[in-house]
Amino acid sequence: GAGVSQSPSNKVTEKGKDVELRCDPISGHTALYWYRQSLGQGLEFLIYFQGNSAPDKSGLPSDRFSAERTGGSVSTLTIQRTQQEDSAVYLCASSPRGFSNYGYTFGSGTRLTVV
Amino acid sequence: AQSVTQPDIHITVSEGASLELRCNYSYGATPYLFWYVQSPGQGLQLLLKYFSGDTLVQGIKGFEAEFKRSQSSFNLRKPSVHWSDAAEYFCAVGAPSGAGSYQLTFGKGTKLSVIP
Repeated sequence: GAGVSQSPSNKVTEKGKDVELRCDPISGHTALYWYRQSLGQGLEFLIYFQGNSAPDKSGLPSDRFSAERTGGSVSTLTIQRTQQEDSAVYLCASSPRGFSNYGYTFGSGTRLTVV
Repeated sequence: AQSVTQPDIHITVSEGASLELRCNYSYGATPYLFWYVQSPGQGLQLLLKYFSGDTLVQGIKGFEAEFKRSQSSFNLRKPSVHWSDAAEYFCAVGAPSGAGSYQLTFGKGTKLSVIP
């Protein structure tokens, strides 16, 4: 597609429920990133996929968070047993392989509210 | 590990005034530096980037930034601010990661308000 697409744009869930957030990167971009943006905290790196390599999961805050990327394209971020502190905007970005001249291209994000 | 500091949480300027947003980074090698802008409810848009070469880089929307290695800074400037520039601005440093890509570390952002 023309840009990075994220769905849903907003999600309200009850504490303890599982949620899935979807990211559809730009076609041909081999690198995909998830970030979390909490109020006053800036952007926090969560996970990074590059092609068929093992993902860099070093930013995932707990084992309730997981992500997968199927077929080198669409990615799903799953949060199990959601807690109120998981409320944030989850941003996905993609970039071409190599030291890109374009930086990352970000999606508009999914705003998650845990009540 | 790399880090980015944006000392100003919130800046207010009058429309037509000049603007400088500060960014300091910490990284052991030659950095890749970026400025992004985020309007309310939107994702981040790349304003400009520095990879190498000329230390004064031009970006979109009339923004420029200057890389100063001696000061570990990459400040963003605009000579005349427009009301539409009101947004949050993020500085980021990129470090190479595996398989030929890189990972961005962001500052906490500076919110810009513009007085008509």
